[in-house]
Amino acid sequence: AQRVTQPEKLLSVFKGAPVELKCNYSYSGSPELFWYVQYSRQRLQLLLRHISRESIKGFTADLNKGETSFHLKKPFAQEEDSAMYYCALSDNTDKLIFGTGTRLQVFP
Amino acid sequence: ETGVTQSPTHLIKTRGQQVTLRCSSQSGHNTVSWYQQALGQGPQFIFQYYREEENGRGNFPPRFSGLQFPNYSSELNVNALELDDSALYLCASSRPGTAYNEQFFGPGTRLTVL
Repeated sequence: AQRVTQPEKLLSVFKGAPVELKCNYSYSGSPELFWYVQYSRQRLQLLLRHISRESIKGFTADLNKGETSFHLKKPFAQEEDSAMYYCALSDNTDKLIFGTGTRLQVFP
Repeated sequence: ETGVTQSPTHLIKTRGQQVTLRCSSQSGHNTVSWYQQALGQGPQFIFQYYREEENGRGNFPPRFSGLQFPNYSSELNVNALELDDSALYLCASSRPGTAYNEQFFGPGTRLTVL
């Protein structure tokens, strides 16, 4: 069965500290992986996707097929990074399967 | 370019009633997906409409139904409401054929069933 697991409900760090939001997936095939973010009082929006191999707002994520993981990383957290982060999987259709989300709190 | 809009913002219904939620897709997008987000959970895929036809469905009972109109706007209908239907309902639009089929989400409709 297709599944996305985000083991941490809440991650709290101080400004300038490294951040790693964990995501593991279960899928028999070649999925597309995404990170979506929801800032306070804003709508859910795409942060980055594994195919484009890009860095957005200092965040990167590498797909590890051996460990079926797609962890989101940032070397130096900023207060404006505080938000809800969702890892999502697509089976190459437009259907997205989301994890339960991790709330990132960055303290000054 | 107009983003995805949803109406109403909030809605309160009682068990057994029926509800209709509406979504206007982003300009140029012909695909609309609906998601249910219960409190503390990630969004769950309900179904998707492409060019007025259902194009995939998640694990939701038939009392969840939808429509897409020629202008690509969409409705989600839920019959015989149950308490567990209380959730945030999200609509997302996309345009197949564009890079990675990025989905653009609306602000959601919060449904409370009493």
